[in-house]
Amino acid sequence: DGGITQSPKYLFRKEGQNVTLSCEQNLNHDAMYWYRQDPGQGLRLIYYSQIVNDFQKGDIAEGYSVSREKKESFPLTVTSAQKNPTAFYLCASRNPGQGHNQPQHFGDGTRLSIL
Amino acid sequence: EDQVTQSPEALRLQEGESSSLNCSYTVSGLRGLFWYRQDPGKGPEFLFTLYSAGEEKEKERLKATLTKKESFLHITAPKPEDSATYLCAVQGFNFNKFYFGSGTKLNVKP
Repeated sequence: DGGITQSPKYLFRKEGQNVTLSCEQNLNHDAMYWYRQDPGQGLRLIYYSQIVNDFQKGDIAEGYSVSREKKESFPLTVTSAQKNPTAFYLCASRNPGQGHNQPQHFGDGTRLSIL
Repeated sequence: EDQVTQSPEALRLQEGESSSLNCSYTVSGLRGLFWYRQDPGKGPEFLFTLYSAGEEKEKERLKATLTKKESFLHITAPKPEDSATYLCAVQGFNFNKFYFGSGTKLNVKP
């Protein structure tokens, strides 16, 4: 079945540590996105990538980094510079080639907590 | 300011009691309005896309409608399995930017 796989499901970070969240898709989608979801707030965009080897900052990119070396993969690193990383992180993809207003499809998220 | 507001924040219904969820937006240059369902601990699941005012989409007990300033998600004769958080997202001029509301948490009691 085609879809988006995020791992791990739960992740704990120690102070001063960088952690990497994995996102893999087999939908052959060009565009991929990372969002952060906090209770009572809408999803906020961290980074997005329209094509391999290219990515753009979203609204809350500070303290995060990404790479897009393969079409299928868009890992997110939460660095020690992100002082409030506790949240539910969602990865999404879409296929703009079928039209610019194609919907995003989401993985099942990674919940990151501070130890 | 581009913004999406959903109301109510939470809604409790008895099984079979129909109601509507609201999504109002002030995003310029609407390209699409999207409804998602999100279960606890899961990612959002795509339901509908609406592109222009007057458009309607239906799926089982759900019907989504769109005007120039808002969208409604009508739930007819809901069942307990319809309990979830319903999210609305609006895509504006920048087709990579999606503005999300904070969601309506629906609880349907048997």
